[in-house]
Amino acid sequence: QKEVEQNSGPLSVPEGAIASLNCTYSDRGSQSFFWYRQYSGKSPELIMSIYSNGDKEDGRFTAQLNKASQYVSLLIRDSQPSDSATYLCAVRFSGGYNKLIFGAGTRLAVHP
Amino acid sequence: DTGVSQDPRHKITKRGQNVTFRCDPISEHNRLYWYRQTLGQGPEFLTYFQNEAQLEKSRLLSDRFSAERPKGSFSTLEIQRTEQGDSAMYLCASSPGQNNEQFFGPGTRLTVL
Repeated sequence: QKEVEQNSGPLSVPEGAIASLNCTYSDRGSQSFFWYRQYSGKSPELIMSIYSNGDKEDGRFTAQLNKASQYVSLLIRDSQPSDSATYLCAVRFSGGYNKLIFGAGTRLAVHP
Repeated sequence: DTGVSQDPRHKITKRGQNVTFRCDPISEHNRLYWYRQTLGQGPEFLTYFQNEAQLEKSRLLSDRFSAERPKGSFSTLEIQRTEQGDSAMYLCASSPGQNNEQFFGPGTRLTVL
């Protein structure tokens, strides 16, 4: 069973703080990892992709990947109330075509 | 707007009826995916097209579900004899293929009464 696990939250952080979202996956051979943001009632929006070990930064977002530990995380610096959403971790598992396996998401609440 | 589009955005139907949804991918994206999402869960893969070829179909997809992508452009997803358990958000995504970044449309919310 190929799985992607996330803490459902809610993760509550004050405005201006760093939000740290975590994700683990079951398939050691996975090569592609994605973070999506989903506002309530809307569709997922791609915010970060990462393919190799280490950090990848894009504005206030940093994705971190550790394939040995089968762990991927998303850091949001200077969190804003507009960042309040559900963050979905998605993994392209090895051995198949290009489907993504999603975690159930972590709900982030940024309070003023 | 050059993003993925889906039609209709909302569909209410009675149990036993057939429904069809349409997805128009981003221009020149040769890969198209259908997912289903229920409340509190992440999207769940249904099927995948590369150009007009349907290359993968979830084992969760019963024979009441069928999808097509004629000419490798838009795609349709049909659900026959709908059941209340089919109520969900049906999401379409497209990808250019190089890095598998998938971009989602706004979704079609289906309610089966």
